[in-house]
Amino acid sequence: QVQLVESGGGVVQPGRSLRLSCAASGFTFISYGMHWVRQAPGKGLEWVAVISYDGSNKYYADSVKGRFTVSRDNSKNTLYLQMNSLRDEDTAVYYCARADHWGQGTLVTVSS
Amino acid sequence: SYELTQPPSVSVSPGQTARITCSGDALPKQYAYWCQQKSGQAPVLVIYEDSKRPSGIPERFSGSSSGTMATLTISGAQVEDEADYYCYATDSSGNHYVFGTGTKVTVL
Repeated sequence: QVQLVESGGGVVQPGRSLRLSCAASGFTFISYGMHWVRQAPGKGLEWVAVISYDGSNKYYADSVKGRFTVSRDNSKNTLYLQMNSLRDEDTAVYYCARADHWGQGTLVTVSS
Repeated sequence: SYELTQPPSVSVSPGQTARITCSGDALPKQYAYWCQQKSGQAPVLVIYEDSKRPSGIPERFSGSSSGTMATLTISGAQVEDEADYYCYATDSSGNHYVFGTGTKVTVL
């Protein structure tokens, strides 16, 4: 069955960087575009970024554009999110998602 | 920026029908998707492409879309359907995705 497992979350100071990973299994990873979605504590879902099946197209929410970079390694069935210049408001659970399946999420806390 | 608007809350009695609306200017041209998120859990897709139901999702969940409004219907709501429900769709460019504001469904 489809499995998406995020990792790399943790506590980081404002202005620092963090890279999230998402290991995919149970489906042909290279056939699907993939998303990152986040949810701040007590808030709703916010779409962050999408990458096409081959990595050639990437789109970002305005709130993260220029700071976050989505990438993928199809040889490793892994999706990444490089997060730079982190801000307090980036604190959230980050989910890796295919259009129809979601991971369990990884918590990123930005705090001094 | 593009927005999808949902009612903050919907309450129904067990066995009754709950309807959740999602309003957005791009919906006439873009598919609507719906996910369910129970407390402390990851979201689960319940409707895709306006009205299709993934395998494993009960038949009481259905979706429709007309003009600028999409609707998720839970026919014969059960206590276990209590959750937050979010619609989502792409904007008119088809490249940026947007989530609705979310609707808390209470069944009691």
